[in-house]
Amino acid sequence: QQPVQSPQAVILREGEDAVINCSSSKALYSVHWYRQKHGEAPIFLMILMKGGEQKGHDKISASFNEKKQQSSLYLTASQLSYSGTYFCVTENTGNQFYFGTGTSLTVIP
Amino acid sequence: EAGVVQSPRYKIIEKKQPVAFWCNPISGHNTLYWYLQNLGQGPELLIRYENEEAVDDSQLPKDRFSAERLKGVDSTLKIQPAELGDSAVYLCASSLGDKYTDTQYFGPGTRLTVL
Repeated sequence: QQPVQSPQAVILREGEDAVINCSSSKALYSVHWYRQKHGEAPIFLMILMKGGEQKGHDKISASFNEKKQQSSLYLTASQLSYSGTYFCVTENTGNQFYFGTGTSLTVIP
Repeated sequence: EAGVVQSPRYKIIEKKQPVAFWCNPISGHNTLYWYLQNLGQGPELLIRYENEEAVDDSQLPKDRFSAERLKGVDSTLKIQPAELGDSAVYLCASSLGDKYTDTQYFGPGTRLTVL
């Protein structure tokens, strides 16, 4: 039931854009996105609810397509501080949570 | 406001020894989660509490792992006996429990090394 993320890893230069995808085999109620820096706890980025919405703040946004059971995280004009591992967390209709496989993002000057 | 508190931060034990981890969630958070995170992988849910009730413990290895959340606040996760493969970071998280805005706030984790 673990959602699959792609790509597994990506390296960007400052100012470049990236898209991280999250795909589940189960019907979803919501998708959460977290970022975890090395040696630290995951930090919440945003939550998207059933209904196919899109959300964003600052230069990070996300979309959720419940029919395709997919979510995408968009990072624009990346900054050094964006480096870390990004996880989607899916909540299925049975109220069970699963972390995705993770995407390592490295932003270089 | 204080975040999720976990202790100890680090623990080194020999295999077959027991070990316990403690978590104090954010005040007012009804839902508490215990996760296991292996190096380079995402957290895996072990157990989720809503108040005192364990509502999802399907991934908790019950032969050696146990957890409790007395009075619906603090929680303890225990491993007895520990095995080499239990070496990992154990994360505790809490959330309000409101289904529509259920952000999980994570503690710093306990890094367990089993020798």
